[in-house]
Amino acid sequence: EPEVTQTPSHQVTQMGQEVILRCVPISNHLYFYWYRQILGQKVEFLVSFYNNEISEKSEIFDDQFSVERPDGSNFTLKIRSTKLEDSAMYFCASSERGQGAYGYTFGSGTRLTVV
Amino acid sequence: AQSVAQPEDQVNVAEGNPLTVKCTYSVSGNPYLFWYVQYPNRGLQFLLKYITGDNLVKGSYGFEAEFNKSQTSFHLKKPSALVSDSALYFCAVRDNHGNNRLAFGKGNQVVVIP
Repeated sequence: EPEVTQTPSHQVTQMGQEVILRCVPISNHLYFYWYRQILGQKVEFLVSFYNNEISEKSEIFDDQFSVERPDGSNFTLKIRSTKLEDSAMYFCASSERGQGAYGYTFGSGTRLTVV
Repeated sequence: AQSVAQPEDQVNVAEGNPLTVKCTYSVSGNPYLFWYVQYPNRGLQFLLKYITGDNLVKGSYGFEAEFNKSQTSFHLKKPSALVSDSALYFCAVRDNHGNNRLAFGKGNQVVVIP
């Protein structure tokens, strides 16, 4: 069964450093998403991406965050200058179409720890 | 904005007994509802969804969920729980107005006792 692949599985970084989280969505999917889950809290929507541009973003997704699909297969989330409160599990997801009826496939997540 | 409530932090059930994980939602318009399961160190795995049609939805691993519009609920059920069902379960909703974001509940830890 096709999978969404995320790397690395765990990243530790110092506060103020830039991090890039990587995702390989399912190959025929067109919509891509990032969600995050702070320990013990809800899974929260960050951003959706379609046709090489952001289609929707939440209030969490401020100027510190950016997304990119650099080569047609990878989908990356960059955090420019990490803060302690960015420590969370970050999930990438993709869907075949934009409508929820087609379902979302999630990756295994990257656990980001900011120290 | 859409939202989901999963009122219990942890659900304990004996193996072989029925399992219910509760979910209520709030959304404008008609909801698209989902259940996901998360095993330790794994991603969110899709269990089932309700989009339209029959209110009783059957999904993976013997799980089912019933959409109740009047009670705005979408409780997850399994007639006979297995120890391997122990995991974190998330309910999620999106509206049908065009945005693509899912709103998740906080999750319920299910512990199936042998």
